[in-house]
Amino acid sequence: GAVVSQHPSWVICKSGTSVKIECRSLDFQATTMFWYRQFPKQSLMLMATSNEGSKATYEQGVEKDKFLINHASLTLSTLTVTSAHPEDSSFYICSATRGFLAKNIQYFGAGTRLSVL
Amino acid sequence: DQQVKQNSPSLSVQEGRISILNCDYTNSMFDYFLWYKKYPAEGPTFLISISSIKDKNEDGRFTVFLNKSAKHLSLHIVPSQPGDSAVYFCAASPLPTGANSKLTFGKGITLSVRP
Repeated sequence: GAVVSQHPSWVICKSGTSVKIECRSLDFQATTMFWYRQFPKQSLMLMATSNEGSKATYEQGVEKDKFLINHASLTLSTLTVTSAHPEDSSFYICSATRGFLAKNIQYFGAGTRLSVL
Repeated sequence: DQQVKQNSPSLSVQEGRISILNCDYTNSMFDYFLWYKKYPAEGPTFLISISSIKDKNEDGRFTVFLNKSAKHLSLHIVPSQPGDSAVYFCAASPLPTGANSKLTFGKGITLSVRP
């Protein structure tokens, strides 16, 4: 159990366009979902924390108008990179927690490789 | 300022031997520690965790040791198998623990187990 699906796995877009990435918990209801960004040979950097039905909490330095997060249900969160530019090219990965019984254990999607031309 | 450090970027061990992956942290507020394993083109998979009230947690071939005074933890894999070859991330979480708790990750260590 605890499968998290992320789609798409790879996207290439033109500069100035917006890209939506979906994160779904397939076999559990996710109380909280997290969005990370990873640069090559770097650690996973938390961008924001989202809870179903409420606004996401963004980490310092992350532009909330640039990276729109919607958590409409207990199984789906989306990250939209608006007006993408080449510097937004990165690996984006989501995770979800199952609830307090699972403590801090986060279950990750496979990630999305975004390339902005 | 990197709060979770995995100073060795890679480790190579012979199949059947022990793999020891190290992790150091600087934030004394960290209370819960996790190890994740990541294969290429896949997301990190939870491996094992330890709470700060313990100094050891064992699960099959995997054992995590925590030295809170030294702010150091290590993951031991014994015996190592070729299928263990992957990137291993150390992560830490502060109090209070729970579903909303943030994880701070290290950069990862690439483990290669030679047949």
